[in-house]
Amino acid sequence: GAGVSQSPRYKVAKRGQDVALRCDPISGHVSLFWYQQALGQGPEFLTYFQNEAQLDKSGLPSDRFFAERPEGSVSTLKIQRTQQEDSAVYLCASSLVLGGTGALFFGEGSRLTVL
Amino acid sequence: QKEVEQDPGPLSVPEGAIVSLNCTYSNSAFQYFMWYRQYSRKGPELLMYTYSSGNKEDGRFTAQVDKSSKYISLFIRDSQPSDSATYLCAMSDGAGNMLTFGGGTRLMVKP
Repeated sequence: GAGVSQSPRYKVAKRGQDVALRCDPISGHVSLFWYQQALGQGPEFLTYFQNEAQLDKSGLPSDRFFAERPEGSVSTLKIQRTQQEDSAVYLCASSLVLGGTGALFFGEGSRLTVL
Repeated sequence: QKEVEQDPGPLSVPEGAIVSLNCTYSNSAFQYFMWYRQYSRKGPELLMYTYSSGNKEDGRFTAQVDKSSKYISLFIRDSQPSDSATYLCAMSDGAGNMLTFGGGTRLMVKP
């Protein structure tokens, strides 16, 4: 596809359930980022991949959060034992660094509601 | 105090007005400055991209960066109701590096 694709768009989970959110970046984009956006706030950095290597995971709020990008393309953000404070929109962005400006292009987000 | 500060608004203006949106920041290492527009329940959409200080114009939009004051602005001329959205400033210290966002300013342009 032409843009960053995320699924599911909406997810409702009961507290304690595990969830997995998928991101399909723009074809050929080397860098992939995950951000968390709470209601009425700006996006907050979670983690960053360059190809399959996770270069920065300093923004992950706890060890319940795990992200992977095994083949350097599609990425999955997994949240274990979800809590109410995990309710947010999870945004994925990709970037073409080599030969590009490095600007990030975002998907529509996955809106997670934990009951 | 956050690294990037942005007035949350809402900012309400009549159609055709000139809109000024601003951000201040504290990290002098920031070199790349972006403005994103975010409609309700959508992802952020890149509007303007600027490297270092100076002005950049694209249609009705002008971005200004003053690194000496750690202050960036986005001006929208001849504002339209379709410009109603949340505007996010974002910045990074290197091309392709993680972005640090402001909290966003909600803009409403009334017909």
